[in-house]
Amino acid sequence: SAVISQKPSRDICQRGTSLTIQCQVDSQVTMMFWYRQQPGQSLTLIATANQGSEATYESGFVIDKFPISRPNLTFSTLTVSNMSPEDSSIYLCSVGTSYEQYFGPGTRLTVT
Amino acid sequence: QQQVKQSPQSLIVQKGGIPIINCAYENTAFDYFPWYQQFPGKGPALLIAIRPDVSEKKEGRFTISFNKSAKQFSLHIMDSQPGDSATYFCAASIGRRLTGGGNKLTFGTGTQLKVEL
Repeated sequence: SAVISQKPSRDICQRGTSLTIQCQVDSQVTMMFWYRQQPGQSLTLIATANQGSEATYESGFVIDKFPISRPNLTFSTLTVSNMSPEDSSIYLCSVGTSYEQYFGPGTRLTVT
Repeated sequence: QQQVKQSPQSLIVQKGGIPIINCAYENTAFDYFPWYQQFPGKGPALLIAIRPDVSEKKEGRFTISFNKSAKQFSLHIMDSQPGDSATYFCAASIGRRLTGGGNKLTFGTGTQLKVEL
């Protein structure tokens, strides 16, 4: 398995602002994923982030709203831009090793 | 076709009971079926996973049963304990093993399990 950390663990932000979430892994991984989990709901994939290439976004998610960086094999960031209360969610990064995926602890975002 | 349907939404059992959570899928291209356990305020933790070439897999008190023809799989928790109280998610992914990484997961809607003393 992999040890994954995320920063910040939680934040309260005002609408119209942006927040960048960091994800750090203790080993090199090719694929990293970003998910959103709205309160009491399941997980929805936002995008897949491969090192050295553009992130691949799922239907309903766009790069202007959720820009992602993947500068190396152990680190990625997700920015939630121009936030609205509807963006209040838990944002989770995960890493893939063969078939398995392991999740970070999540970033709980509240937008007021 | 990418959807994974999970039931029940919530479940209460007595300590020592065997809760069963069921999932069904449509896409026959799915070839990996993990279960995750999530405690409040934590990220999902991989519990157990199965591939369609076997019908059952056991790890400790957790068992996955897989029915390929029915496109269904289920999680059984033997001798359940209050510490098992959590939300459980089934998931599925498509594709062959990619070099150095995994494939994107489609999640079920989750089952909130409570194990009472």
